[in-house]
Amino acid sequence: DTGVSQNPRHKITKRGQNVTFRCDPISEHNRLYWYRQTLGQGPEFLTYFQNEAQLEKSRLLSDRFSAERPKGSFSTLEIQRTEQGDSAMYLCASSFDRFNQPQHFGDGTRLSIL
Amino acid sequence: GENVEQHPSTLSVQEGDSAVIKCTYSDSASNYFPWYKQELGKGPQLIIDIRSNVGEKKDQRIAVTLNKTAKHFSLHITETQPEDSAVYFCAAVEGSGGYQKVTFGTGTKLQVIP
Repeated sequence: DTGVSQNPRHKITKRGQNVTFRCDPISEHNRLYWYRQTLGQGPEFLTYFQNEAQLEKSRLLSDRFSAERPKGSFSTLEIQRTEQGDSAMYLCASSFDRFNQPQHFGDGTRLSIL
Repeated sequence: GENVEQHPSTLSVQEGDSAVIKCTYSDSASNYFPWYKQELGKGPQLIIDIRSNVGEKKDQRIAVTLNKTAKHFSLHITETQPEDSAVYFCAAVEGSGGYQKVTFGTGTKLQVIP
């Protein structure tokens, strides 16, 4: 399977714990995006990487959130001191580094905070 | 910033009938309009897209139209089948080559009744 891969698919944790998600993009794609999706809503942009450089961050990305893409391949999204409001689906997408290229999404990590 | 409105929020059609989903956008800088299909527990899957220099695009049973002047675009599915049942998202993309900001609509839940 050469699509975008996300792990884990589900994560249940207690409030206050830290969690980390991983995204493996399509190998030829330089651009990588993280989104958050809550029930009944479309995905909301969190952050964007061009290779290993994090070039855009949404105001939704509080200081408890951090994302990395150390070698320009896979990326991780960490949430520290999780809160109830962090419960959502976290989606990763990747695309070619060209004008108006479609983003291809993974199947997401569903986070549930107890 | 960009605002994308999508209607209807739910749509039920008989198998074999057509389905139409409409979206409007606010920012004339948006120049690329992808449509995604999302099935339960999965990430959004690109089904068709249209660029701002094109008024209509068709791919088998799916077609998309774009009216730049009125800032609206629509998805048309003909001869609907039960497997078309899913949530559909429109999106508007602005960006001239670097970071491409994607704004999603709120989704349309399509139910095709056999």
